[in-house]
Amino acid sequence: QQQVKQSPQSLIVQKGGIPIINCAYENTAFDYFPWYQQFPGKGPALLIAIRPDVSEKKEGRFTISFNKSAKQFSLHIMDSQPGDSATYFCAARISGNTPLVFGKGTRLSVIA
Amino acid sequence: EPEVTQTPSHQVTQMGQEVILRCVPISNHLYFYWYRQILGQKVEFLVSFYNNEISEKSEIFDDQFSVERPDGSNFTLKIRSTKLEDSAMYFCASRRTSGSYEQYFGPGTRLTVT
Repeated sequence: QQQVKQSPQSLIVQKGGIPIINCAYENTAFDYFPWYQQFPGKGPALLIAIRPDVSEKKEGRFTISFNKSAKQFSLHIMDSQPGDSATYFCAARISGNTPLVFGKGTRLSVIA
Repeated sequence: EPEVTQTPSHQVTQMGQEVILRCVPISNHLYFYWYRQILGQKVEFLVSFYNNEISEKSEIFDDQFSVERPDGSNFTLKIRSTKLEDSAMYFCASRRTSGSYEQYFGPGTRLTVT
């Protein structure tokens, strides 16, 4: 019940395309859902996050869509660029000082 | 912009040896974490630390592991007797207060146990 299931495992899109990465969870106590971007050899960097009281959050080219009833959330990258090529992790957390539970990651390749 | 720093960036050690991984969290942060990532796998929680004590730990964080905040800036992870399966990237993370959810990760230490 603590798991966060992420798909797809890898994704290749053309420059300008809109990759979509999906995550699903079971634990309804989760109340914070961040996405992290990780480049090879680097630590995960917080990209964007959402709380379950909103259905969508947009920051620049990155958008999180959140469906509370379906217990799913997704990351959309508008006008994707080769520099967006990285591994993306969704995560979830119960409020308080609880640790993040990460999905398995999606390796995104944006080709020119 | 303040960031979490970690040293060393790469540590190679022999099985059975003790290693200490060091982290300097962001200065006004109060909650500290260690995570690890085995090559090609997801990031896994090890331990969280607040107010000079462990808040929570995972099943991975057994008696071979310990954490310490030896002074006002450093946060360390010690593995007493390393095993081959301890080879991974170890990430330190920190966050500000109970009102802030964002955890900021350091660049990691790659631990290789031979």
